[in-house]
Amino acid sequence: DVKVTQSSRYLVKRTGEKVFLECVQDMDHENMFWYRQDPGLGLRLIYFSYDVKMKEKGDIPEGYSVSREKKERFSLILESASTNQTSMYLCASSSLQGRIREKLFFGSGTQLSVL
Amino acid sequence: QKEVEQNSGPLSVPEGAIASLNCTYSDRGSQSFFWYRQYSGKSPELIMFIYSNGDKEDGRFTAQLNKASQYVSLLIRDSQPSNSATYLCAVNGVSGNQFYFGTGTSLTVIP
Repeated sequence: DVKVTQSSRYLVKRTGEKVFLECVQDMDHENMFWYRQDPGLGLRLIYFSYDVKMKEKGDIPEGYSVSREKKERFSLILESASTNQTSMYLCASSSLQGRIREKLFFGSGTQLSVL
Repeated sequence: QKEVEQNSGPLSVPEGAIASLNCTYSDRGSQSFFWYRQYSGKSPELIMFIYSNGDKEDGRFTAQLNKASQYVSLLIRDSQPSNSATYLCAVNGVSGNQFYFGTGTSLTVIP
């Protein structure tokens, strides 16, 4: 089974803090994604990466950055946390094999509260 | 125009009934279609995927795809209270790298 692991299930941070959310997958997947999920807004893509050191902006990249130094690890960074970044953050990964038939697998999520 | 649209519900069905969840998508070139189940406070879990027109059955779940109408549905037969969750429809874009999600349909199965 695919395993996508997010380092924290719950996180509480102060406004202005730098926040790191870590994600590791164990299936040698090429693609990794960061989403945030808010009530009524659904899943929104922040960034994705299709290879080591490669990244692409999603729909809402403002206030976020990412790092992918190793294939299995994809980090989301909030440079200066703000209260409007309080949300559920979901990491996901997928394979490039059979390009049109990839499946997306999610980690357990990190509920971030910024006070 | 949203890429993927779902009726947000809530949808309530009695135990044992058929629950029908619907989804439309805008990108006619889409090739892969997925249904995720999400319990409150948990992450989405893949429960069905379909690539070809027609029906795909897995236990009490049936996914239906009609590419001409750009329509995907999920049927849950003999619904159980444990099926109460939010169901997310997702579509893989033409590029293969992007997944587009609906906002989800909340389903409650009443005992």
